[in-house]
Amino acid sequence: DAGVIQSPRHEVTEMGQEVTLRCKPISGHDYLFWYRQTMMRGLELLIYFNNNVPIDDSGMPEDRFSAKMPNASFSTLKIQPSEPRDSAVYFCASITGASAGNEQFFGPGTRLTVL
Amino acid sequence: DAKTTQPPSMDCAEGRAANLPCNHSTISGNEYVYWYRQIHSQGPQYIIHGLKNNETNEMASLIITEDRKSSTLILPHATLRDTAVYYCIARVFYNDMRFGAGTRLTVKP
Repeated sequence: DAGVIQSPRHEVTEMGQEVTLRCKPISGHDYLFWYRQTMMRGLELLIYFNNNVPIDDSGMPEDRFSAKMPNASFSTLKIQPSEPRDSAVYFCASITGASAGNEQFFGPGTRLTVL
Repeated sequence: DAKTTQPPSMDCAEGRAANLPCNHSTISGNEYVYWYRQIHSQGPQYIIHGLKNNETNEMASLIITEDRKSSTLILPHATLRDTAVYYCIARVFYNDMRFGAGTRLTVKP
């Protein structure tokens, strides 16, 4: 398997624009997570899904952020409108509930810069 | 959720064992101790986890005290590529990882 795939790897946009980040989890994994990492706040859990259903979105900073998982192999994190303070690295991760190793696999991240 | 406390930074000589401590004095009986690391700006990487017993895998060993209030991650022969931020997490469910500040380990030649 290719691991967790995220796109784009880098995104530069201007304030006010809509940004969509994409994630393809590892095949067979039934949990998907979105994290955000900044120097100031470290690694924060934004939201996670189980079997495509959002379970906990308490980490989503505000209504400008939304996440969807239309099927088991695809998820999006959307920011509309974007603001400079949204600049961060966004990671997607997945895990299978049946995994004996309990290992959460992370993608390479999307580095977002909002000007 | 049990709070974990780690030193902000540590140094280790290349080839020597790196011992990274973690305090989790409020850990509950059903919480596991997980260790992840993050090399530069890559995504975090799972290292090891345990509940009560000491654990060992190809990457590291995890020593958990008998009262489970603290643990130590041991990298037996640290290399320069082990330079990273190491996170200790105490959680019931592996599907809800919350990362703290971690320990920045620098392996020096």
